[in-house]
Amino acid sequence: GQNIDQPTEMTATEGAIVQINCTYQTSGFNGLFWYQQHAGEAPTFLSYNVLDGLEEKGRFSSFLSRSKGYSYLLLKELQMKDSASYLCAVLDSNYQLIWGAGTKLIIKP
Amino acid sequence: DAMVIQNPRYQVTQFGKPVTLSCSQTLNHNVMYWYQQKSSQAPKLLFHYYDKDFNNEADTPDNFQSRRPNTSFCFLDIRSPGLGDAAMYLCATSITAGGAGTQYFGPGTRLTVL
Repeated sequence: GQNIDQPTEMTATEGAIVQINCTYQTSGFNGLFWYQQHAGEAPTFLSYNVLDGLEEKGRFSSFLSRSKGYSYLLLKELQMKDSASYLCAVLDSNYQLIWGAGTKLIIKP
Repeated sequence: DAMVIQNPRYQVTQFGKPVTLSCSQTLNHNVMYWYQQKSSQAPKLLFHYYDKDFNNEADTPDNFQSRRPNTSFCFLDIRSPGLGDAAMYLCATSITAGGAGTQYFGPGTRLTVL
């Protein structure tokens, strides 16, 4: 079966750095997405990785290791508005997007 | 601004009373998706259209139907809503279904079934 694992919830302090991990087992791989979802709102696109390595985009970076079936989202200089759920999703060999259940990130002052 | 629009944002219906949710896009994307998302769960793909080609997920109940009359609009019909169908319904679009096809989501419609 296809599976995406990410922690259910994480807590971090404003101004700090947090790393949200995602591991996956899918039938094929055509890229990995990270989305941010605030409570009661739709997911918004953060990043897409298809090659190994780190992609940096402002305060957010995303890393991929295809051989390990592993990715992480790194958030720097945390702000209160970063409190949200972060969803990892993998595009499988059929170009179907397989979603994780999301990691709820709580930011404390 | 190019965007994905969903109406209504909040929908209340009664058990068994048909309801239609709408989605429109100004992105001119080929692919449109309907997802169901329940609290603290991953979005669950119900079906998607690649242009006019309809693709139903194997485990999508027959109670859910969809129409895409043109590139810009897509509708989700729930023929006989049950209490278990209360959820957020998300419409998304992408240029293609492949790796370049980042999905862009509308704001969602929260459905309550009484």
